[in-house]
Amino acid sequence: DTGVSQNPRHKITKRGQNVTFRCDPISEHNRLYWYRQTLGQGPEFLTYFQNEAQLEKSRLLSDRFSAERPKGSFSTLEIQRTEQGDSAMYLCASSPGTGGPLYGYTFGSGTRLTVV
Amino acid sequence: KQEVTQIPAALSVPEGENLVLNCSFTDSAIYNLQWFRQDPGKGLTSLLLIQSSQREQTSGRLNASLDKSSGRSTLYIAASQPGDSATYLCAVRSGGSNYKLTFGKGTLLTVNP
Repeated sequence: DTGVSQNPRHKITKRGQNVTFRCDPISEHNRLYWYRQTLGQGPEFLTYFQNEAQLEKSRLLSDRFSAERPKGSFSTLEIQRTEQGDSAMYLCASSPGTGGPLYGYTFGSGTRLTVV
Repeated sequence: KQEVTQIPAALSVPEGENLVLNCSFTDSAIYNLQWFRQDPGKGLTSLLLIQSSQREQTSGRLNASLDKSSGRSTLYIAASQPGDSATYLCAVRSGGSNYKLTFGKGTLLTVNP
């Protein structure tokens, strides 16, 4: 296992189109997180999964956003009817479930979305 | 609500210099603090993780300290190299929501040859 994998690396889409990103976490990690980062800012929390259960969603995640993690493995983040304000880097991270908060996060390389 | 501040926002130093990056947080009830490195257009690479019970962690030329009571952490980089040029992000995992990180905006470091 080589870490957290995200696809695609880059996505350019026209305003109003739907896009979907994929994240494959480290296989033994049962916690998975999505963050969004805009230029010059730190990453902001979007949502969190423990196994297949989505346990929290940020207020940043409008109803145009949906995330899934079927079978507690990979996760997808879909944005419907994209807007220019959705342009950002979308980062996925995972961490072990056991040991509680003692373990750090491992992040993927991110998906950079540009809405034109 | 946890807030994380990083100072300075940007720093430019000549190669070989030792330097310190600062991070402060408003709520001292944290589980741990993690320093990350981010190269332009890339994801985050974890550098050091300090548990709330620890005072410091070292990895190679990097040393991170934590003073939980005062809400401060520093990242010390010894003998800086041009390859250290990147944005350095500090993130805390707070006790109230132990599954998510709160990030600062980062310090953009440039090491000039």
